[in-house]
Amino acid sequence: DTGVSQNPRHKITKRGQNVTFRCDPISEHNRLYWYRQTLGQGPEFLTYFQNEAQLEKSRLLSDRFSAERPKGSFSTLEIQRTEQGDSAMYLCASSLSHNQPQHFGDGTRLSIL
Amino acid sequence: AQKVTQAQTEISVVEKEDVTLDCVYETRDTTYYLFWYKQPPSGELVFLIRRNSFDEQNEISGRYSWNFQKSTSSFNFTITASQVVDSAVYFCALSEPFPGAGSYQLTFGKGTKLSVIP
Repeated sequence: DTGVSQNPRHKITKRGQNVTFRCDPISEHNRLYWYRQTLGQGPEFLTYFQNEAQLEKSRLLSDRFSAERPKGSFSTLEIQRTEQGDSAMYLCASSLSHNQPQHFGDGTRLSIL
Repeated sequence: AQKVTQAQTEISVVEKEDVTLDCVYETRDTTYYLFWYKQPPSGELVFLIRRNSFDEQNEISGRYSWNFQKSTSSFNFTITASQVVDSAVYFCALSEPFPGAGSYQLTFGKGTKLSVIP
């Protein structure tokens, strides 16, 4: 069990640029989640995959956000035309089933200049 | 109304004191799960405990104990003999079914920042 891995740890970019984050879940976990966390708040749900299928998306996920999980393994989260308000920590988590705890990665901190 | 309310924003205690972190949740589902996570200054979220809605048995694990009361929709967390390493933000979270779906959504409270002073 190597844990959930996220890359990069930090991303600094100019407003308007596109960014992509990667998440590698725990290998036997078929469920993968993306969250966003801003300062002083708890993580907020963005989207959820079961295997390669994206089953749920939050209203927080605007059209500029897209997530994929090809082949049900790693996942990517892309933000197009970044805005100042996108600055946050983006967390990925995985779990074995809905009643098992989600295990989180260290997150990718995005800073928009 | 918030689904998960952690009324205490920040708590400071002196080392070796006991401290209780409060959590009140709101759900209409009969089957749900409650979690506590710890987020130390380094940033990673660490799972502490899970409870399902049918298991009101309270638990003690070392210096940690949990008090789940369905009648008051509360799931409180107590650290006895606190230590400096306990300093972190603690999040309570509720897992309940997505509306009309078979999968579950995890909703976090805003967290309680615990500072243990030596």
